[in-house]
Amino acid sequence: AQSVTQPDIHITVSEGASLELRCNYSYGATPYLFWYVQSPGQGLQLLLKYFSGDTLVQGIKGFEAEFKRSQSSFNLRKPSVHWSDAAEYFCAVALYSGGGADGLTFGKGTHLIIQP
Amino acid sequence: NAGVTQTPKFQVLKTGQSMTLQCAQDMNHEYMSWYRQDPGMGLRLIHYSVGAGITDQGEVPNGYNVSRSTTEDFPLRLLSAAPSQTSVYFCASGPYGPTGELFFGEGSRLTVL
Repeated sequence: AQSVTQPDIHITVSEGASLELRCNYSYGATPYLFWYVQSPGQGLQLLLKYFSGDTLVQGIKGFEAEFKRSQSSFNLRKPSVHWSDAAEYFCAVALYSGGGADGLTFGKGTHLIIQP
Repeated sequence: NAGVTQTPKFQVLKTGQSMTLQCAQDMNHEYMSWYRQDPGMGLRLIHYSVGAGITDQGEVPNGYNVSRSTTEDFPLRLLSAAPSQTSVYFCASGPYGPTGELFFGEGSRLTVL
């Protein structure tokens, strides 16, 4: 079965500093991988996705992620964070039970705190 | 465009009561799904639908029913609510299924006493 691990429950970063959020997945084949962001009291918004091609993926809001097959990782990065980046970040992989994808399997999330 | 609209935003139920969480989307997406979000658990798939008249179970379907009579609507029914169903529920839709971008509603917070 597919699974996603986000090892960091909370991360605190100073405004203007760089950010890396970790994500490891378990899946036999090449997975569809996603990063979603959830602002307080809101639904989730897609930041970026990967399935094939260039292993460095650019997303919205200045985020990027790198797929590393050898490490089963899909870490999210941003060179300089803004106070508005404070949110919950979820890594996800497409969930398959038979034929096509049913939905997504999410990690438990990483809560990002931005210090002024 | 309203996107994905969920109602109600908040609901308190007593154990054994029934209710329906409504989800409507105006983007003509064939794929719709329901997730529940519990603290420290991430989101888990309850049910999903790939088009009108077609529904299937996700990871945690027990205690929930769904139907899809139109492309726009995908209601989630709790027939006999239990405290274990206290959660935040999210509806999501997408034009290409879960391998493409999903658009989420703002969530419905349900408390079962």
